[in-house]
Amino acid sequence: EPEVTQTPSHQVTQMGQEVILRCVPISNHLYFYWYRQILGQKVEFLVSFYNNEISEKSEIFDDQFSVERPDGSNFTLKIRSTKLEDSAMYFCASSPMAQGNYGYTFGSGTRLTVV
Amino acid sequence: GDSVTQMEGPVTLSEEAFLTINCTYTATGYPSLFWYVQYPGEGLQLLLKATKADDKGSNKGFEATYRKETTSFHLEKGSVQVSDSAVYFCALRKETSGSRLTFGEGTQLTVNP
Repeated sequence: EPEVTQTPSHQVTQMGQEVILRCVPISNHLYFYWYRQILGQKVEFLVSFYNNEISEKSEIFDDQFSVERPDGSNFTLKIRSTKLEDSAMYFCASSPMAQGNYGYTFGSGTRLTVV
Repeated sequence: GDSVTQMEGPVTLSEEAFLTINCTYTATGYPSLFWYVQYPGEGLQLLLKATKADDKGSNKGFEATYRKETTSFHLEKGSVQVSDSAVYFCALRKETSGSRLTFGEGTQLTVNP
């Protein structure tokens, strides 16, 4: 069964450093997403991406965040200057369509720890 | 804004026990409702869904019915197995908000043999 692959599974970074989280969505999917879950809190939407541009973003997704699809397969989330409160599990997802009955396929997540 | 509330966890059951995980939502309009499951070390997997009132989603012995009058989508299973141990997330999506999913807090289920 096709799957969404995220790397690394765990990343530790120092406060103020830039970090890039990587995702390989399912090859024929068109819509890509990032979500995060701070320990003990809800899974929160960050951003959706379609046709090489952001289609929707949440209030969490401020100027320190950016997303990119640098080639035909990768989808990345960059955090420019990490803060302690960015420590969370980050999930990537993809779907063939934005609406209707199509569900998302999620990756297994990257646990980011900012120290 | 839209929100989803799940029963507080964790939930611990013996094998073959009956499971209910409560989920209620707040949203205008007619959201689609979902249950996702996360097994240890894996991503979120869609377990079941319902897209309109009175629809029943079902999969792997799990069921949930979309109740608009009580704004609920409770997850049930008649006889749980050890392999059902996982974290369960209730979520909604409104067409007017595009593709964004709004999740509940998640409920950790542990089933003991």
